Amino acid sequence: EAGVAQSPRYKIIEKRQSVAFWCNPISGHATLYWYQQILGQGPKLLIQFQNNGVVDDSQLPKDRFSAERLKGVDSTLKIQPAKLEDSAVYLCASSLALSGSYNEQFFGPGTRLTVL
Amino acid sequence: GDSVTQMEGPVTLSEEAFLTINCTYTATGYPSLFWYVQYPGEGLQLLLKATKADDKGSNKGFEATYRKETTSFHLEKGSVQVSDSAVYFCALSGPLMNRDDKIIFGKGTRLHILP
Repeated sequence: EAGVAQSPRYKIIEKRQSVAFWCNPISGHATLYWYQQILGQGPKLLIQFQNNGVVDDSQLPKDRFSAERLKGVDSTLKIQPAKLEDSAVYLCASSLALSGSYNEQFFGPGTRLTVL
Repeated sequence: GDSVTQMEGPVTLSEEAFLTINCTYTATGYPSLFWYVQYPGEGLQLLLKATKADDKGSNKGFEATYRKETTSFHLEKGSVQVSDSAVYFCALSGPLMNRDDKIIFGKGTRLHILP
């Protein structure tokens, strides 16, 4: 079974530029998550989708970050414009959405963003 | 709010040494508890989990017991190997009855095993 795919693996941009990350979840997984992992910290949830709807985006800095999952499968996360403090690893995860059972999240390898 | 506190690293041990990484949590209700591992250059992987008090999660020689009375979920392994070198994250999520699958992670503990 293929895992969660993410691209690119690395990205270096200058501040005020724009950047986009792509994620393809495990086939059949209805729930998709984007996390931000700053160096030395644990991952922090940015946004959670159930199919193509947003479940939780309370931690997403909406003035510069946006995310979509138009067809309920793959997803893109965009930062526009980027700031120095956005330097981090952006992780995508997916899970089944079975009612009343534990939903393990499977993580992709992440995209390491460096903002200069 | 809910939170996880784990011992700071890096932790450096010799091969075959005994490992303990401490983790305590603060949560309302009865969360599920996890240990995730992140090997160099790879994504997070679930190492083990426990969903109720006194449960013991185990995998690859690692163990952790859900202790409600001390709100702890310490990770242990009797004899570590060089291949165990990684970053370990303690985490929790809400109780299934509330269908809250948001995961809250600790800051991670980097483990170095010397041959």
